[in-house]
Amino acid sequence: DAKTTQPPSMDCAEGRAANLPCNHSTISGNEYVYWYRQIHSQGPQYIIHGLKNNETNEMASLIITEDRKSSTLILPHATLRDTAVYYCIVRVDSNYQLIWGAGTKLIIKP
Amino acid sequence: EAGVTQFPSHSVIEKGQTVTLRCDPISGHDNLYWYRRVMGKEIKFLLHFVKESKQDESGMPNNRFLAERTGGTYSTLKVQPAELEDSGVYFCASSRLYYEQYFGPGTRLTVT
Repeated sequence: DAKTTQPPSMDCAEGRAANLPCNHSTISGNEYVYWYRQIHSQGPQYIIHGLKNNETNEMASLIITEDRKSSTLILPHATLRDTAVYYCIVRVDSNYQLIWGAGTKLIIKP
Repeated sequence: EAGVTQFPSHSVIEKGQTVTLRCDPISGHDNLYWYRRVMGKEIKFLLHFVKESKQDESGMPNNRFLAERTGGTYSTLKVQPAELEDSGVYFCASSRLYYEQYFGPGTRLTVT
């Protein structure tokens, strides 16, 4: 079973920052937090991952709380093309498989 | 750099028939994975190859499913004989190391 909890859906206005929360209260010290998204009818797409420090790349920022029990994915300027299901996944490096939950359906509104 | 490709994009077969799905990973990626999503359910891991060796096949549902990766390049997933509950979308992914996995567009399998 997935070790994360996410809200089932969220709305965000186009051009605003989308903040997607994820709870992973049972995370272990050697487990990474990964974010993927799936745009309708496409394969999942890697977004970002982190262990304990905040991370940023060209797509998004990942903020992990100090106790590592929760994290937030930030899309700084959401566009309509960011409408997708976003998955937060906790994974140990020694175990390659990704365990998927239901994710958050993010709808960007014009 | 070409992404992960999967063939066919759609397949409709009758119960009891055989279907073979193909995945071509990104060149140079030793790790190859199969996942699937059946209707209304979450994406589930099926198995993981490192080059031509099966590293983890704990997610394979039963012995009707056979995955191969000859020569450590492309992989095939054969379902024989297909059952109605095998309908869904089958995703292939590849990775160079154990970080990000790159996914293909999936093969939609419909068993009637």
